[in-house]
Amino acid sequence: EIVLTQSPGTLSLSPGERATLSCRASQSFRSSYLAWYQQKPGQAPRLLIYGASSRATGIPDRFSGSGSGTDFTLTISRLEPEDFAVYYCQQYGSSPRTFGQGTKVEIK
Amino acid sequence: EVQLVESGGGLVQPGGSLRLSCAASGFTFSSYAMSWVRQAPGKGLEWVSAISGSGGSTYYGDSVKGRFTISRDNSKNTLYLQMNSLRAEDTAVYYCAKDVGGYYGFSDYWGQGTLVTVSS
Repeated sequence: EIVLTQSPGTLSLSPGERATLSCRASQSFRSSYLAWYQQKPGQAPRLLIYGASSRATGIPDRFSGSGSGTDFTLTISRLEPEDFAVYYCQQYGSSPRTFGQGTKVEIK
Repeated sequence: EVQLVESGGGLVQPGGSLRLSCAASGFTFSSYAMSWVRQAPGKGLEWVSAISGSGGSTYYGDSVKGRFTISRDNSKNTLYLQMNSLRAEDTAVYYCAKDVGGYYGFSDYWGQGTLVTVSS
């Protein structure tokens, strides 16, 4: 089973700042089969990025994904108030699918 | 508009059974694989199970293999999760999700979830 380790656990930033979230895999998997999800309290996860770098429908372009192999990054270029949430990465290129433990982006 | 509505959650004793349902609308249900993902209180996401569009292929996480059964009724646009031999550690919100790309795919739409509590 592939273990995904997200860092940092918590990111304290102000609106307008840039957020950089990391997701590292314990081993490589099918090329770029990595997704990012956003989850707000009491809500279901929402797909942001798939294929490591493709934005899902309706996702603002301030969200971008990058990386390959075992190291992936989600960047939020300028944080909006609605972006403060928990973010999860998921690999779907190796069985079973696995999630990272999440990074909480909180208001500083 | 894609809609996924879970139901069937509740309080069950350890060792008991429960069946979750997920009613789907807004897309051609039989054309897509579907998944169940759970989230224990205050914890992260855990993939539980997936099923192909036809229902002919099913997949399970190790923690539920042999106890849970995923199925679907394409005539009713409904996904199911039969959960047997429930344990306290199965307590979680269970989400159904529509998948893109089959088993090696991601989930592009999620329901709001249904809470399962396993406790005596």
